[in-house]
Amino acid sequence: QKEVEQNSGPLSVPEGAIASLNCTYSDRGSQSFFWYRQYSGKSPELIMSIYSNGDKEDGRFTAQLNKASQYVSLLIRDSQPSDSATYLCAVTAGSARQLTFGSGTQLTVLP
Amino acid sequence: GAGVSQTPSNKVTEKGKYVELRCDPISGHTALYWYRQSLGQGPEFLIYFQGTGAADDSGLPNDRFFAVRPEGSVSTLKIQRTERGDSAVYLCASSKSRTGELFFGEGSRLTVL
Repeated sequence: QKEVEQNSGPLSVPEGAIASLNCTYSDRGSQSFFWYRQYSGKSPELIMSIYSNGDKEDGRFTAQLNKASQYVSLLIRDSQPSDSATYLCAVTAGSARQLTFGSGTQLTVLP
Repeated sequence: GAGVSQTPSNKVTEKGKYVELRCDPISGHTALYWYRQSLGQGPEFLIYFQGTGAADDSGLPNDRFFAVRPEGSVSTLKIQRTERGDSAVYLCASSKSRTGELFFGEGSRLTVL
């Protein structure tokens, strides 16, 4: 079983809609959770971090964390074609400094 | 420079050859990470440095892989006796403090023929 699971997609949404991206993780000791965005041919860039249960909002992005269900999600409101990218969920566990990444969900926002 | 710099951006080599990949982190970032990414996959952890020492090298796949960071800044990933399965994009990232908040370079694409 992979430690961080994501639906690979592709996920397509129309412009202006809400895109919902989901991630589950296997290690109950996981403490820090991140969403990275990766455009085709480019390197990942951090867009959201969340450390405690609940919601965290930053502009059009909302990260949601539920540690009991071992589930983290990313909502993108008012999706734009420029949001089309692969979204990587990443997790750290315990004292480890390394990030464990999921395989990513490819999002396409249709004009 | 303002970001993480990696060289070369592309490297094509033959099976069995030795390869070095270089990473220059963001100034002031004490933590440095190497990951590799294959097509359609997320980045896979290789090694983490805090300062000059390798704090966690548990992701290195075998003893053909080695990395150094002698002065606590620039790091070099070294791959001996390359194999076709080593072909991937090798990503370097640095971090100032908060765990997991990484800044990635543009990567070095390694192709082993």
